[in-house]
Amino acid sequence: EVQLVESGGGLVQPGGSLRLSCAASGFTFSSYWMHWVRQAPGKGLVWVSRINGDGTVANYADSVKGRFTISRDNAKNTLFLQINSLRAEDTAVYSCARDRVLGSGSCDCWGQGTRVTVSS
Amino acid sequence: QSALTQPPSASGSPGQSVTISCTGTSSDVGGYNYVSWFQQHPGRAPKLMIYEVNKRPSGVPDRFSGSKSGNTASLTVSGLQADDEADYYCSSYTGNSDSTVVFGGGTKLTVL
Repeated sequence: EVQLVESGGGLVQPGGSLRLSCAASGFTFSSYWMHWVRQAPGKGLVWVSRINGDGTVANYADSVKGRFTISRDNAKNTLFLQINSLRAEDTAVYSCARDRVLGSGSCDCWGQGTRVTVSS
Repeated sequence: QSALTQPPSASGSPGQSVTISCTGTSSDVGGYNYVSWFQQHPGRAPKLMIYEVNKRPSGVPDRFSGSKSGNTASLTVSGLQADDEADYYCSSYTGNSDSTVVFGGGTKLTVL
C-alpha cells in the first residue's frame, strides 16, 4: 500500500524554524517527484515546493523562496521541508504528495498532513 | 504565481451534470496539458480525479471528465451523487522562469 506520513509540525514563535518530514512506503520513492502543499485553516490548497527524484531539481513558491528548503533522503525514503523565518501566514497543515507525471502537479497520493502553528 | 480562478461555489441536483471552470493564463493552463483536478471532503486528504487535462486515474468513475479550451480548463461531473459534494481544486504546471505548480482557489460543490 502506498503511504505517506508527515511529522514534525508544532507550535513555533514568529521567526522560528521547523523541519518537517514525510515518510514514504509502498513504492519506489526515488522514482517520483514529490511536493509539499499547505492549507491554512478554512482555506484552499497552496503549492509550496517540489523536488525531483534524485534531489537535483527543486522549485519553490514565491511566498516561501529563500525561507523554505525541500530535500530528500532516498536511502531512507523520506522527504523533508526545512522551514525558517516563520511568519503567522505560514500557519497551515503541510502535506506531502507524490506526483505521477514528472513534477507537473498530478499528485496521486497524499499524506494526512502535519500542522504548523506560528504564534507568540 | 497568481492562483488559478475558480468559482467559489457550484450546485446541482442528483442525476444532473455540473461543470466547474478553472481559468489561468498562457503561462499555465493555456500553455501546457498539465491540468489536474482534486476532490477534497472535509477533514480528508485531496484525491486526484483528473490529470493531464482529461485522464482519469484508476478507480475514478467516468462520471468525472476534464477538458480545456485556451486558458480555461473545466471539470464536468455527470450523474451527480450525494457523495460528490466536496471541494474541488484545479492545478496547473507553470512554465515561467522558475517552473512551479499553481492551484485554483477551490469550488464548493453542493448536491441539492
